[in-house]
Amino acid sequence: QITLKESGPTLVKPTQTLTLTCTFSGFSLSTSGVGVGWIRQPPGKALEWLALIYWDDDKRYSPSLKSRLTITKDTSKNQVVLTMTNMDPVDTATYSCAHRGGLRGGFDIWGQGTVVTVSS
Amino acid sequence: DIQMTQSPSTLSASVGDRVTITCRASQSISSWLAWYQQKPGKAPKLLIDKASGLESGVPSRFSGSGSGTEFTLTISSLQPDDFATYYCQQYNSLLTFGGGTKVEIK
Repeated sequence: QITLKESGPTLVKPTQTLTLTCTFSGFSLSTSGVGVGWIRQPPGKALEWLALIYWDDDKRYSPSLKSRLTITKDTSKNQVVLTMTNMDPVDTATYSCAHRGGLRGGFDIWGQGTVVTVSS
Repeated sequence: DIQMTQSPSTLSASVGDRVTITCRASQSISSWLAWYQQKPGKAPKLLIDKASGLESGVPSRFSGSGSGTEFTLTISSLQPDDFATYYCQQYNSLLTFGGGTKVEIK
């Protein structure tokens, strides 16, 4: 059974750097074709894809946020970490990580999400 | 960047209705499209992959079609559990979600 869980601060101040960790089980991020992505959703708004890391350490970023994002993986710990710099109140959202299987383009398993508020 | 436009943004329907949601891509994405259902406070659920591939366990009243730039998600007979927000997502070039379609009770 695949599970993912996000962790990190619930409150960050403007200009600070956000670091979120996705801890997963039930699959290996060293298996060919597997990826883990980050997606956010501001309150009452649509989903927004942020970043994706693959089993081979290939990394992809949303063009509009690329300069602020870094995604890394620690295969031995079954973790994926997302950092976002220069946080702003408009970045207030629920941040979720999700599994992408080798034969799918969609995210088939999602974490519960973690709410991040940006406020001074 | 590929933009995804969903219509309508809100849809009012009754139980038993046939419902169709449209998703248009700003350029051709072949069949590289997924559909999700999201209920309030819950994570999205993958319904359909590669435009028309129904995920395991998803009721057969859901179907997807289309290729290129125009896609549809159809619910053949709306059930009470189907009132939710639906999103499309392209994965032809990076990833992009549509703006969502809320299906509400008429």
